[in-house]
Amino acid sequence: SAVISQKPSRDICQRGTSLTIQCQVDSQVTMMFWYRQQPGQSLTLIATANQGSEATYESGFVIDKFPISRPNLTFSTLTVSNMSPEDSSIYLCSVGQGARTEAFFGQGTRLTVV
Amino acid sequence: GQQVMQIPQYQHVQEGEDFTTYCNSSTTLSNIQWYKQRPGGHPVFLIQLVKSGEVKKQKRLTFQFGEAKKNSSLHITATQTTDVGTYFCARQTGANNLFFGTGTRLTVIP
Repeated sequence: SAVISQKPSRDICQRGTSLTIQCQVDSQVTMMFWYRQQPGQSLTLIATANQGSEATYESGFVIDKFPISRPNLTFSTLTVSNMSPEDSSIYLCSVGQGARTEAFFGQGTRLTVV
Repeated sequence: GQQVMQIPQYQHVQEGEDFTTYCNSSTTLSNIQWYKQRPGGHPVFLIQLVKSGEVKKQKRLTFQFGEAKKNSSLHITATQTTDVGTYFCARQTGANNLFFGTGTRLTVIP
């Protein structure tokens, strides 16, 4: 199993600003993922963060808007840049150890953009 | 697209009644995972199904994987108020990414 600490747990931000979300894992993990969950909706994968390489973004998400860092095997950050009210959502980090293994999630960051 | 469809979207049941959610994919799945998300919480892994026709049980929960590996179901017998939450199936790609289904939100009326 993996214990994930995600910060901040919630924030209210002004439009046009940026917020960086941190995800710390208690063990080394190969794969880290960032998801967005809009109110009442399912989870949508934003990107996969791999240590030592550029993040891989899913369709509809770009690096300029959601830059990701993965400096080591236990830590990653997601930045939501130039925020607008449409970015209001819950952002979750997740870790996995490869094929056919379960995913563990952080507690999520509830972001409100005003 | 890659999203897996789930039905129903919502389900309200009286405590003690059974509940079933179905997960359908247009493509063959290598495996399927199920997660539960309590209100205000994060998704928590329940089970993984890999083999065609596989059936797994966890106490009152029964999980099935279709013979064609394109659909799956989760059945809860005699629901309790602790079963409240949203149940997601999730497909895993060759790159080990997880794509979540649309989810079924279960409400249990005491």
